[in-house]
Order: sequence, then structure tokens, then C-alpha cells
Amino acid sequence: SAVISQKPSRDICQRGTSLTIQCQVDSQVTMMFWYRQQPGQSLTLIATANQGSEATYESGFVIDKFPISRPNLTFSTLTVSNMSPEDSSIYLCSVGPSGGETQYFGPGTRLLVL
Amino acid sequence: KQEVTQIPAALSVPEGENLVLNCSFTDSAIYNLQWFRQDPGKGLTSLLLIQSSQREQTSGRLNASLDKSSGRSTLYIAASQPGDSATYLCAVIINTGGFKTIFGAGTRLFVKA
Repeated sequence: SAVISQKPSRDICQRGTSLTIQCQVDSQVTMMFWYRQQPGQSLTLIATANQGSEATYESGFVIDKFPISRPNLTFSTLTVSNMSPEDSSIYLCSVGPSGGETQYFGPGTRLLVL
Repeated sequence: KQEVTQIPAALSVPEGENLVLNCSFTDSAIYNLQWFRQDPGKGLTSLLLIQSSQREQTSGRLNASLDKSSGRSTLYIAASQPGDSATYLCAVIINTGGFKTIFGAGTRLFVKA
């Protein structure tokens, strides 16, 4: 299993500012995923982050809005840039599956943009 | 395009009941299927993972079945308890040159004491 921590656990931000969310895993993993869960909704994949390469973004998400770093095999950051109230969501970091194994999630970061 | 649907969207049952949560997916070409639990405002906890070659998995009071050809999975919860109250999410993993997880919208379960 993998144990994942995220910082911050929650934040309240002003419109137009940016927030960087950190994700730390207790073991080395190839693939890390960032998801968004808007209020009352299910999870939507933002991007896949592999170490040493550019993140791969899903349709509707762009690097300028959600820049991602993956400096090593245990850590990643997601930045939510130029925030608006529509960005208010839970942001979740996840690892796996890279070979059919169980997918694990961090506790999430609850973001409220005023 | 793979889509995952969960029925019902919400369910309220008295303590002790056995219950079934349903999940359907549109494309049977899945790599595996996973059931998660999410408590309010929290992350996801993996409950059961079923490989595409398997038909069911069991863990304690939970049993998940998979019928890939018909695009269906069920999560059976025996002798429900108030502590089972949470949102249950079904997710299929597909391989399109890289693995991707597609989530259903979830079933919100409330077990009354």
C-alpha cells in the first residue's frame, strides 16, 4: 500500500491569487495523478504526472492554469493559478495504477475561493 | 467513450439490512474495477479491486462482483451499520496507451441506527 499526504489540508483564497498544493508519497511511484472534485460531484482527472517528463493534461485542463511539478519519484505539486470561485473544489493526489494494482488517494485539499 | 453510472444516487436504510449498490460501464474493455469509500470532506479509501479476469472479491462484510461482458458490477454490503454511512464510488481502469481511471458519480449511503 501507499501512504499519501497533502498540504495544505484546506485553504481559503482570494480571487486572482494562486495556490500550490503539495503531495508526498511514502514510496517511489512512477505515475502520480491529480484530480478535482467539485461540490457534490465525482472525481475528474486533471493530469498525469510522470517523473522527468511534462505532465499530461486531460481535455479541459491546461498547463497555464494548473502547472504541475514532479521533481522526484515521491513528490509532486499542483498549482491552481489565477483562481476564481469556480475553482473551489477538493483537489486529490493519487498514485497507481501502473500495472493493475490498487489506486491510492491522499486526504485531499479543500479549496475555497472568495 | 467510457462512462460509468451508479444506481441509486442515494440510499437510506435501517441498520442491519443487506444492500446492493450497482455500477455499470459502457465499454467492456476494462483493465480492472475498483470500489472506493469516501467520507464527507475526505479522500478516498480503497475497498475492493477486481481484476478484469476475476468475477468477485470479498473483504469482510463486503462482496463485489464483476460481469465484464454485460458491463456491470455490484457491491454487496451485509448487515449494514451506521459506520457504513458514506459515499461509495465505482471506478474502472482503462488502458489507452496509459492507465486512466474513470469514476462514477457515487452512491450516498445513510444507515440509520
